Formats: sequence, C-alpha cells, structure tokens
Amino acid sequence: GIQVEQSPPDLILQEGANSTLRCNFSDSVNNLQWFHQNPWGQLINLFYIPSGTKQNGRLSATTVATERYSLLYISSSQTTDSGVYFCAVDPGNTPLVFGKGTRLSVIA
Amino acid sequence: DAGVIQSPRHEVTEMGQEVTLRCKPISGHNSLFWYRQTMMRGLELLIYFNNNVPIDDSGMPEDRFSAKMPNASFSTLKIQPSEPRDSAVYFCASSPNNEQFFGPGTRLTVL
Repeated sequence: GIQVEQSPPDLILQEGANSTLRCNFSDSVNNLQWFHQNPWGQLINLFYIPSGTKQNGRLSATTVATERYSLLYISSSQTTDSGVYFCAVDPGNTPLVFGKGTRLSVIA
Repeated sequence: DAGVIQSPRHEVTEMGQEVTLRCKPISGHNSLFWYRQTMMRGLELLIYFNNNVPIDDSGMPEDRFSAKMPNASFSTLKIQPSEPRDSAVYFCASSPNNEQFFGPGTRLTVL
C-alpha cells in the first residue's frame, strides 16, 4: 500500500519562529488533508489540498502532486500551535492513509 | 453545524464488560469511519460505511468488536467483552466526499 512519511518527527520552536513540515507519499493520490491534533486530543481539519497552495491565516499548505509531496508552513508560531500535525492521503481505492505525524512544541 | 458528535466522551469500565460507543455524523455526509488511536499503534482505521453499508471492516481487531449504522444519522461501535488492551481513544469521522471531519473522540479505559 501507499506509504506516507512525515518530517521532522519532532520539532521545538521558539514563539514567533516559522517552520515547514513535510509530507512525502509513495504513489499518486486523489486528495490530501492536513490535520492538527491539539494537546487535548482533538483532530482539527487544517487543509484539504490535493494540489496547489492554500492559505488560512498564519498557516499555508502546498501540494505538488506530480512530485508526491506536500508542505505545511506555520508562520509566527504561537504556543497554541503545539500538538501533532498529521498528513493523510486518499489513494483512491482505500480511505485516508495517515502519516505518523510531526510533534510540534512551541515554547514562550 | 454541530460537527460530528460522539458519546460518551470518557468511559471507564472493567474487563469483561460490554462497551458501546456512539456517533452522530454531520448531516448530509454519506460516509462514516471509526478509528482507534493509541500511543503504540497511532491512528488505525477500524471500519467504514458508505450510505450506511459497511464497506471494509478489515481493521476491526477481533470478533469482540462490532459496528452498526442503522440509519444515516447514527452509528455504534460495540466491544464485548472488553479487555484492558482495548484502552484507547476511539474517533468517529464523517465525510461528504473524500474530506473527513473528526469527532472529539471517546477515551476508553478498561481496568
């Protein structure tokens, strides 16, 4: 089956810093989602982005489907950005396949 | 919209007891998914439904687990009998197409 790899696995940032999270996938996909799991365990939809670039406030995402990767940009990070960021892909013949996530800690 | 609703939010039970987790998907969504999340195994898909019909239950760990979706607005995940290794957070998600929206989860502890 399709493989989804996220990097880095862990990231510590000073408040105000910017960061880029990466998601590589091993085969073509129909769709891709980014989620944020906050410290209380809730999984929050960030982006539904099969291709192209989208922005939502301080967050933006870019998916280059032909090269099989997606990037999530966090600018001016805040402590509330802490948590785990998951990339999930839809290969078309199964439901979403999740990566193992990037654990982000933003310190004041 | 209230989003995906799950109940209970927390459940503590003793080994051998029956546990029933409930999910109300977002109105109009035709797909429903049950996941389990643990530290060791991460997020695992247990089963999913399209238009109330179970499509793939290959992720259900054992016969002790069963899931139903009697109508478009309700689904249950039952564990009978429960075991301590079933302790996890169980998420329900729904989707109108391919984009999934998750509920808040049920944290299950089996003593």
